[in-house]
Amino acid sequence: GQQLNQSPQSMFIQEGEDVSMNCTSSSIFNTWLWYKQDPGEGPVLLIALYKAGELTSNGRLTAQFGITRKDSFLNISASIPSDVGIYFCAGPVDISSGSARQLTFGSGTQLTVLP
Amino acid sequence: DAGVIQSPRHEVTEMGQEVTLRCKPISGHDYLFWYRQTMMRGLELLIYFNNNVPIDDSGMPEDRFSAKMPNASFSTLKIQPSEPRDSAVYFCASSFFNQPQHFGDGTRLSIL
Repeated sequence: GQQLNQSPQSMFIQEGEDVSMNCTSSSIFNTWLWYKQDPGEGPVLLIALYKAGELTSNGRLTAQFGITRKDSFLNISASIPSDVGIYFCAGPVDISSGSARQLTFGSGTQLTVLP
Repeated sequence: DAGVIQSPRHEVTEMGQEVTLRCKPISGHDYLFWYRQTMMRGLELLIYFNNNVPIDDSGMPEDRFSAKMPNASFSTLKIQPSEPRDSAVYFCASSFFNQPQHFGDGTRLSIL
């Protein structure tokens, strides 16, 4: 099956700094999703990408669907303490349809924001 | 709108006991997913349903695990008998058609 390699595994940054993380796939994807998981809670969808080259923002978060369709990037600008959590990329298991029904997840990036 | 609701939030039980986890998907969603999350293996899909019918249960670890969806608003994941290696956080998620999945807050299961 498809494998998603997410990096970095963890990040320690100062409040106010920008953050960048990425995800690469062994296969071409038609959909990329980014989720955030707060401690003790379930993953929450941040951004969904459906087209190669697409750049989508959600507040201070910006995600891009790589032009090769095998990667995606998530950037967080001017980090704040509530950005702490685990960020997951995800893509469809059924890559031919591109539907987001059945997902495979990256291993996550643990973000710590230092005051 | 209410999100995906899971119960219980925490469960601690002794090995050999039966464990039942419950999930209420978002109203109107036609897909329901059960995941297990551990430090070692991350988020793993166990089984998913479409319109209450199990579609793919290839992720279910072994026969001790079973899942049902008797109606559109309720699903259960059962482990019988439970073992310490089943300790994990179990998530339920739901979606409509091919839209992204929405997750519940999970059940943290500890088998002693």
